[in-house]
Formats: sequence, C-alpha cells, structure tokens
Amino acid sequence: DAGVTQSPTHLIKTRGQQVTLRCSPKSGHDTVSWYQQALGQGPQFIFQYYEEEERQRGNFPDRFSGHQFPNYSSELNVNALLLGDSALYLCASTIPTGTGGQYFGPGTRLTVT
Amino acid sequence: DAKTTQPTSMDCAEGRAANLPCNHSTISGNEYVYWYRQIHSQGPQYIIHGLKNNETNEMASLIITEDRKSSTLILPHATLRDTAVYYCIVRVVGGGTSYGKLTFGQGTILTVHP
Repeated sequence: DAGVTQSPTHLIKTRGQQVTLRCSPKSGHDTVSWYQQALGQGPQFIFQYYEEEERQRGNFPDRFSGHQFPNYSSELNVNALLLGDSALYLCASTIPTGTGGQYFGPGTRLTVT
Repeated sequence: DAKTTQPTSMDCAEGRAANLPCNHSTISGNEYVYWYRQIHSQGPQYIIHGLKNNETNEMASLIITEDRKSSTLILPHATLRDTAVYYCIVRVVGGGTSYGKLTFGQGTILTVHP
C-alpha cells in the first residue's frame, strides 16, 4: 500500500518562472492538502482539495493555485516565483470524514534563485 | 483552532520514557488534540489523537487532563530514531468543518541521547 507520493523531489527555478508540483494521495484517501514549510518553521497550510474543488485556503496569494484530478491526485502551481517561495512543499491526504490523522508525503524542495 | 504552547526543546536518554507536554488552555469542546512529528528533512508523521480519553497505539500514549487544558505525549521507550520535532495541534472536527487545515506551531525538538 503506497503512501503519499510527491514529485519531483528537488527543483531549482529562477525568479519569475512558474512551477508545478505533483502529489498522489494514499490509497483510499480523496482529500489532499498542501503546505509550505520554510527553513526552521512549521508547515503552513496553503489549501485543501476535495471532489476536485478548493475547499479551504490559507493566507497565500493568488500566485498559488491548485487542481485535483478525478483520480484524487493533485497539483500545486506557483506563478511568478519569488525568492521567498523557496521552501519544502508538503502534500497531505486524508479521508473527508471522521477524526483520522493526515498522512504526509516526503515533500518537494523548491529553490528559487 | 485553539493555540498550543510547547517547550522549545527536551532531552531524553535512550530507553527511557519521553514525556512531551502541551498546553491548550483555550481548547473548545469539539476540538481534538493531535500529535505529529517531523524527522529532519522528512514530511510530518501522524502519531496519535484524542478528544478527552487517554489513547494508546503502537507508537505512543496520549494523556489528556480532565479539564482538557493540557496533554502529554508519552514515548514509552525512546530510541535514537525518535529524535524529531514534535507538534501538538488542536483542531475542530465535525459539523461541516474542513478536515484539511492543520495549524503547526514551532513544536518541541526532542533529542534522544545514547
């Protein structure tokens, strides 16, 4: 039973470019959340997708957008990259009901130069 | 979601119990306590959660005080691989609330020594 997978593992981009990160949820999970973790900080919630719709959003600008596909996988897109977007981007999956915990992927390390 | 307060760091000897405290004095009746940990450069790992009863699983035990204003995560026999940042998170569950958002604080850096 595969856990949450993310790709790519590492990525280097230049300021102003656009990036797409990908996530496949744990088997049986249909809700995906994305987090940004700057160095030395706890993860910060970006947004959550369920039934292919954005259900909740954290305090992130519109440059951050996402998508969920019918197979529950998800993408995070960031436009007009800034140096401050350099971080570990984490994907987490869960089921939409009940009290169960979220399961995180290993993350994608994005470096913006 | 209620705010939590945790010590910045703690040490523990290998083989001994690690007791990690968390204060959540403003917790509401429909808020659960969750614990996650994050080993360096990895994604956070779910450990355990509870509402008001003590909980135990294969990883840890969670003790919640009767007034629910604080809790303690217990790792009964800490190993070197338990060295990580431990996050205590309080979250509303149920009644149409989003299940996506976890609000992470700074957490407790637990260092297990040989």
